Amino acid sequence: GESVGLHLPTLSVQEGDNSIINCAYSNSASDYFIWYKQESGKGPQFIIDIRSNMDKRQGQRVTVLLNKTVKHLSLQIAATQPGDSAVYFCAENTGTGNQFYFGTGTSLTVIP
Amino acid sequence: DTAVSQTPKYLVTQMGNDKSIKCEQNLGHDTMYWYKQDSKKFLKIMFSYNNKELIINETVPNRFSPKSPDKAHLNLHINSLELGDSAVYFCASSQDRRGVQETQYFGPGTRLLVL
Repeated sequence: GESVGLHLPTLSVQEGDNSIINCAYSNSASDYFIWYKQESGKGPQFIIDIRSNMDKRQGQRVTVLLNKTVKHLSLQIAATQPGDSAVYFCAENTGTGNQFYFGTGTSLTVIP
Repeated sequence: DTAVSQTPKYLVTQMGNDKSIKCEQNLGHDTMYWYKQDSKKFLKIMFSYNNKELIINETVPNRFSPKSPDKAHLNLHINSLELGDSAVYFCASSQDRRGVQETQYFGPGTRLLVL
């Protein structure tokens, strides 16, 4: 099976600081990656995605970096806000259908 | 105008019972999924349906049976519920474009507790 793991299960940051959440994946054939945010009591919500032909993609206050050489993915959140407190998942897809494998999640807590 | 909706939100039942969870999406997507999230927040796909046909069936006990009356609905029926079935079950949907992976949109989840 697939293995998508996160380096840190929990992360605490001060409001206004930048956050970096890391993810390691094991399948070198994976070519599409998504970051999801899951707030307490809710379903995962799409944040940003990246395909393997890119190294970096930016959204509003978020940036995803992909390093295919070491099979590593990161999510950077700029000027972290209390509303960013949630569990963040990375998910990978190997291109065989639309089957995604999810990492174990990182719990981000923003300290006011 | 909820995109992916699930009912019920909470489900508490006795071991051995049979229960169903319903899912509907109004996004016009062709593919729908069921995921199970355990107490450690690990999300694992159970089933995937494309245009009412089963595409993915992970290693799931045959007590779990998905049913898709049309492409906007994918229900999950569980027979003979066991304590280990307690989890949060998420429905998701995505557009189907052959050879192209697409983002999946998740419902709010159904919290199942088996006593």
